[in-house]
Amino acid sequence: QKEVEQNSGPLSVPEGAIASLNCTYSDRGSQSFFWYRQYSGKSPELIMSIYSNGDKEDGRFTAQLNKASQYVSLLIRDSQPSDSATYLCAVGDAGKSTFGDGTTLTVKP
Amino acid sequence: GAVVSQHPSWVICKSGTSVKIECRSLDFQATTMFWYRQFPKQSLMLMATSNEGSKATYEQGVEKDKFLINHASLTLSTLTVTSAHPEDSSFYICSARGIYYEQYFGPGTRLTVT
Repeated sequence: QKEVEQNSGPLSVPEGAIASLNCTYSDRGSQSFFWYRQYSGKSPELIMSIYSNGDKEDGRFTAQLNKASQYVSLLIRDSQPSDSATYLCAVGDAGKSTFGDGTTLTVKP
Repeated sequence: GAVVSQHPSWVICKSGTSVKIECRSLDFQATTMFWYRQFPKQSLMLMATSNEGSKATYEQGVEKDKFLINHASLTLSTLTVTSAHPEDSSFYICSARGIYYEQYFGPGTRLTVT
């Protein structure tokens, strides 16, 4: 079993819709959770971090964390074609971060 | 967010030669940096963890004598691909770890070995 698992994707949503990206992790002691966005041919970019249970909102992005269920999600409201990218879920600790394989999102105009 | 630079952004070299890639954190001191490799349409693959002033920790299957990592200062880590071969052609990405374990990635270096 992989340590960080994401929706296999790809995920396609129409412009203006809500995109929902999900991630589960295996280490119950994990404390730091991140979402990165990677455009095709580019390096990843940190877009959200979350450390405590509940929701964290930043503009059109909302990260949700449920440590009891070992579940992290990212919601993108009012999706735009420019949101089309691969989204990587990561769990960080004092050693290194463990990344999921990513979910590719396509937002269709 | 913090800024990490990489140089060069792309490089073409002949088989058998060595290539050095620099990774710099421009606006904060990074005690830990990471080196990744990514093949087209594949996941990020962690190659090694680089800690300032100490030897790098390599992931299983990564040849430490082929991929030399030096983290000489809190703002600079280098990756040298020695005796490069065509199968080493890939997208190499570094990152610097922040104080909350987040990572700030460099723009990557595209290596082509002919």
